[in-house]
Amino acid sequence: DAKTTQPNSMESNEEEPVHLPCNHSTISGTDYIHWYRQLPSQGPEYVIHGLTSNVNNRMASLAIAEDRKSSTLILHRATLRDAAVYYCILRRSGGSNYKLTFGKGTLLTVNP
Amino acid sequence: ETGVTQSPTHLIKTRGQQVTLRCSSQSGHNTVSWYQQALGQGPQFIFQYYREEENGRGNFPPRFSGLQFPNYSSELNVNALELDDSALYLCASSSSPAGLYGYTFGSGTRLTVV
Repeated sequence: DAKTTQPNSMESNEEEPVHLPCNHSTISGTDYIHWYRQLPSQGPEYVIHGLTSNVNNRMASLAIAEDRKSSTLILHRATLRDAAVYYCILRRSGGSNYKLTFGKGTLLTVNP
Repeated sequence: ETGVTQSPTHLIKTRGQQVTLRCSSQSGHNTVSWYQQALGQGPQFIFQYYREEENGRGNFPPRFSGLQFPNYSSELNVNALELDDSALYLCASSSSPAGLYGYTFGSGTRLTVV
């Protein structure tokens, strides 16, 4: 599996934007970029995914570099409920590789 | 739309015993995966079931086994429990084996082996 690198932790203030980076320099052409987050005492929660183009949904935006070797998850206005561990994961389409390979993720702290 | 439900939420077992954990998939989902999450680590893939057949397995020994039922609910069985099996066990369901549009996770079962 292609590897992702994320900062161990980040801090933000409430109602400010948050940019969570992810490096994936060995990404292949068929790898989708997925983001999940895990709130305290809960299972992971799907946030967003993309292949080449930037993506937006009600939770967040995903900005993908032109060379696809990095991406950034953007929370437009952080709330206290966004405090969680954020995981950047590569998923290869096709074949029989169905697992999600989680790293340690980025622990986001949101200050009131 | 109901989410993924897991039972029990907490469990304490003795080393050498066997345990069965249960998962009810989200409505409309035919694929279920199981993950083990040790404290401070990301979840690790155990295996996945699609239409009652195992179609993917991680680096876990054969004493970790599973079942998926016709209603797409699932069980994770662990035999000969070891202290290192203490972890949060997560079940996830999706509408397709590839899960390209996301998996829905349950809140997990916290297993403690003493």
